[in-house]
Amino acid sequence: DAGVIQSPRHEVTEMGQEVTLRCKPISGHDYLFWYRQTMMRGLELLIYFNNNVPIDDSGMPEDRFSAKMPNASFSTLKIQPSEPRDSAVYFCASGDSPGVGFQFFGPGTRLTVL
Amino acid sequence: AQSVTQPDIHITVSEGASLELRCNYSYGATPYLFWYVQSPGQGLQLLLKYFSGDTLVQGIKGFEAEFKRSQSSFNLRKPSVHWSDAAEYFCAVVTGGGNKLTFGTGTQLKVEL
Repeated sequence: DAGVIQSPRHEVTEMGQEVTLRCKPISGHDYLFWYRQTMMRGLELLIYFNNNVPIDDSGMPEDRFSAKMPNASFSTLKIQPSEPRDSAVYFCASGDSPGVGFQFFGPGTRLTVL
Repeated sequence: AQSVTQPDIHITVSEGASLELRCNYSYGATPYLFWYVQSPGQGLQLLLKYFSGDTLVQGIKGFEAEFKRSQSSFNLRKPSVHWSDAAEYFCAVVTGGGNKLTFGTGTQLKVEL
């Protein structure tokens, strides 16, 4: 298996633009997690899905952020409109136990909003 | 709420020296604890985990960790550090009813040759 795949690896955009980050989890994993990593706040869980259903989105910072998982092999995290403070590395992780620790992380998407 | 604290932001060790990274947890019952490593520009990789049983846990890359309930600690150790171990290390605890991980702030390890 190729592991968790994220695209793009780097994204530079201007404030106000829509940004879509993509994730392909490991085949067979039924949990998917989106994290954000910044120097100031460390690693934060934004949202997680189980069997394509959002379970906990309490970490989503505000309505500008949305996440979807239309099928078991694809998820998106969208920011609209983007702001400079959204600049961070966004990680996707998937797991096949009840999520507990058995999370395999993707390489991340480094987002820069100018 | 369950949480973990990593008191050391940066640690520098010489190659071949022993290493201990500290992690303290806050949790009433027996926590589920993990150590992850993040190399520059990479995602996190699971080093080891503790759920129950033997308090000394062996992981990948020669790492081990010891769960000490009396000290609320889960410190990561390695007897002899290699230059390739330079990375950021995160301690984490299961929260949210068992389906979420809460990470510590991380410890950046530098290895001097």
